[in-house]
Amino acid sequence: EAGVTQSPTHLIKTRGQQATLRCSPISGHTSVYWYQQALGLGLQFLLWYDEGEERNRGNFPPRFSGRQFPNYSSELNVNALELEDSALYLCASSEATFEGYTFGSGTRLTVV
Amino acid sequence: AQTVTQSQPEMSVQEAETVTLSCTYDTSESNYYLFWYKQPPSRQMILVIRQEAYKQQNATENRFSVNFQKAAKSFSLKISDSQLGDTAMYFCAFMAGISGNTPLVFGKGTRLSVIA
Repeated sequence: EAGVTQSPTHLIKTRGQQATLRCSPISGHTSVYWYQQALGLGLQFLLWYDEGEERNRGNFPPRFSGRQFPNYSSELNVNALELEDSALYLCASSEATFEGYTFGSGTRLTVV
Repeated sequence: AQTVTQSQPEMSVQEAETVTLSCTYDTSESNYYLFWYKQPPSRQMILVIRQEAYKQQNATENRFSVNFQKAAKSFSLKISDSQLGDTAMYFCAFMAGISGNTPLVFGKGTRLSVIA
């Protein structure tokens, strides 16, 4: 069974540009979660999608947005990139949330 | 809002020894789930162990076990017979509610180094 896959692995963008990160959940998982892992800050919850709808959102500005497609894959968009957006972005999926999440290997976003 | 605190930013342990990582949490919920995740240098977050709050028995998974003290809101992870492959960041995480309608909340992590 394929795990959670994220692309690209690394992404370098210039301040002010837009970044698009992609995630494919485990087959059968309908929920997708996005987290930001900045140095020293642990994992900060960004967005939760389930069945194509946004279910919950973390304390991030509106320039962080995303969507979930009919096949349950998801993309995270970050507009007007700032230097402090440099971080590891982790995607996770779950079938039953109380069982925990399965994470991908992340996208390392560097803003220069 | 729930918070998770890991008070040990870094720890080290000799190979084959036992180490305990601390985690405390704050919540007004009565039903919840607790997790420990491991993040090795490969960046992949791996679920180590989970505990349902309504279960008094502490969870165990091979060399990994927890000490769950509900009244004290404490959830520590014990690693026995430490191995070099246990070197990683360890994150404690909390999820409120039986239905799990809120996302996982993570602590800031403890970096564990296993020394040969």
